[in-house]
Amino acid sequence: AQTVTQSQPEMSVQEAETVTLSCTYDTSESDYYLFWYKQPPSRQMILVIRQEAYKQQNATENRFSVNFQKAAKSFSLKISDSQLGDAAMYFCAYRNSGGYQKVTFGIGTKLQVIP
Amino acid sequence: DVKVTQSSRYLVKRTGEKVFLECVQDMDHENMFWYRQDPGLGLRLIYFSYDVKMKEKGDIPEGYSVSREKKERFSLILESASTNQTSMYLCASSLYGSSYNEQFFGPGTRLTVL
Repeated sequence: AQTVTQSQPEMSVQEAETVTLSCTYDTSESDYYLFWYKQPPSRQMILVIRQEAYKQQNATENRFSVNFQKAAKSFSLKISDSQLGDAAMYFCAYRNSGGYQKVTFGIGTKLQVIP
Repeated sequence: DVKVTQSSRYLVKRTGEKVFLECVQDMDHENMFWYRQDPGLGLRLIYFSYDVKMKEKGDIPEGYSVSREKKERFSLILESASTNQTSMYLCASSLYGSSYNEQFFGPGTRLTVL
């Protein structure tokens, strides 16, 4: 079974600075998908960014980018120019390419943004 | 915008009660999911459904059942609620076919079982 590990339960960053959230996963598959979801306090979880394993180029969405290291099974999220609205729980998630869309989530990292 | 709604934001029930949590999505998604979210444990899949009347067990199905009579609606049932089922419950939906598709989440139901 696949596992997703987020080793940083909590992190903090100064407003306008850059922060990196770590995620590692374990799988024997070669084709899969990785996601970062954001859950703001008392608000719905939303997708931040996603990566296909067969694409070597790291995904980027505005201030959010990933560092995908397939051999190391690492998928970190970098948030640049951090804003107060970035404060949230961040979940790393994994999905196999085949079958139904069962997704395995990490335990989450709580990000605090300091004004 | 995709919209996933859940019947209650907060729910308080007593041990032994039968509890229904309802989830509705308005984007004609085939896949629907029920997760349980607990601090330090992340999201754990309870059940999912890929079509009307179809269901598959997730990682922690014990003590739960589900119903999907209509495509847009997916219900989670606690036959006899217990205190260890106190948790946040999240519903999600996604489009079948492309593995790349994201899951869209509802706002969650915080259930307390006394």
